[in-house]
Amino acid sequence: GEDVEQSLFLSVREGDSSVINCTYTDSSSTYLYWYKQEPGAGLQLLTYIFSNMDMKQDQRLTVLLNKKDKHLSLRIADTQTGDSAIYFCAEKGTYKYIFGTGTRLKVLA
Amino acid sequence: DVKVTQSSRYLVKRTGEKVFLECVQDMDHENMFWYRQDPGLGLRLIYFSYDVKMKEKGDIPEGYSVSREKKERFSLILESASTNQTSMYLCASTVVGTGRNEQYFGPGTRLTVT
Repeated sequence: GEDVEQSLFLSVREGDSSVINCTYTDSSSTYLYWYKQEPGAGLQLLTYIFSNMDMKQDQRLTVLLNKKDKHLSLRIADTQTGDSAIYFCAEKGTYKYIFGTGTRLKVLA
Repeated sequence: DVKVTQSSRYLVKRTGEKVFLECVQDMDHENMFWYRQDPGLGLRLIYFSYDVKMKEKGDIPEGYSVSREKKERFSLILESASTNQTSMYLCASTVVGTGRNEQYFGPGTRLTVT
């Protein structure tokens, strides 16, 4: 079955790097996504990666994809207090999108 | 700028009431989705629709129904609200196709059933 797993919490100090990990099960997913949810808001697409890529970099964000292990990670460089939010990884199935449980990132000043 | 709006940000209803949650998107998207979000459980799909008057059950459809009479509007109905339906409800939409097709989300409706 389809399932996406993430750790629930991560705490880092301002200026450090954050790494949020995700494992998924559907190897046929063509796209994998990272969404950010700020307090009291809906989800916004942060970045995504096509399944034939290993890495994607977008300013402070680096996405790594290990298809063999079905492992996806999001690295945020120079983490700022404004990065405090819940981060969801998601995969696109045939008709549905499968979301992880979300990782709450807390950035300590 | 793309936009998904939901009729209410906060809603308080009594047990047994019929509750309507409305979602409107202005992007001419074919697909629309309703999720509920609960701490530690992530987003769970309730229903989705891939066209007007079409609907498909998601993972947790019990106690809910939906209506899609117009392409831009997707309504979630709680036939008889219960306390275990207290949750954050998120609507999303997306285009059909083989491209990136990310979902666009509304701001959410936090529903409390007392």
